[in-house]
Amino acid sequence: GENVEQHPSTLSVQEGDSAVIKCTYSDSASNYFPWYKQELGKRPQLIIDIRSNVGEKKDQRIAVTLNKTAKHFSLHITETQPEDSAVYFCAANRDDKIIFGKGTRLHILP
Amino acid sequence: DVKVTQSSRYLVKRTGEKVFLECVQDMDHENMFWYRQDPGLGLRLIYFSYDVKMKEKGDIPEGYSVSREKKERFSLILESASTNQTSMYLCASSLSAGSSYEQYFGPGTRLTVT
Repeated sequence: GENVEQHPSTLSVQEGDSAVIKCTYSDSASNYFPWYKQELGKRPQLIIDIRSNVGEKKDQRIAVTLNKTAKHFSLHITETQPEDSAVYFCAANRDDKIIFGKGTRLHILP
Repeated sequence: DVKVTQSSRYLVKRTGEKVFLECVQDMDHENMFWYRQDPGLGLRLIYFSYDVKMKEKGDIPEGYSVSREKKERFSLILESASTNQTSMYLCASSLSAGSSYEQYFGPGTRLTVT
């Protein structure tokens, strides 16, 4: 079955710098890769997703890249701000389910 | 605006009790899911349902069962609660059958089993 590995588990960056979170997946049949953000005490919310027919997608300061050959996908956040502090989950689809990575806690340092 | 609600934000139960967690969505979504969230383990799928009276096991179904008698409501049942089921439980729904749709999460129920 699908296995999604996510790194790092914790990431601290200075405000204004960039942050990168990386994930790998195992099932070559996966074709949908969403990213969820969970702020402290709140529910996870979708921030961006990418499908296997594209290699990159961007939405303002957030971008995702997908390398199908290597089964890697990454989240890039540029010009980080305090409100970017949260736990981020990558995920990949498998059959009728979504399999989540274990999460990355992102700290934005003042 | 999709709204997913859960019956309780906090719940404390004793070992051996039967526990019901309720989830309701108001957007006519076909798919509903139950996850548990533990520090360092991410979101793990317990059960999901893609239609009324249908259910499918997720990755960690042991010790749990579910019920979906109406499209908008999905219940998670702990037949005999144990301390290792202390966790945050999150319900989610998505628009249609298939896994390529955004999941909308409820606020979560933090269950403590003593």
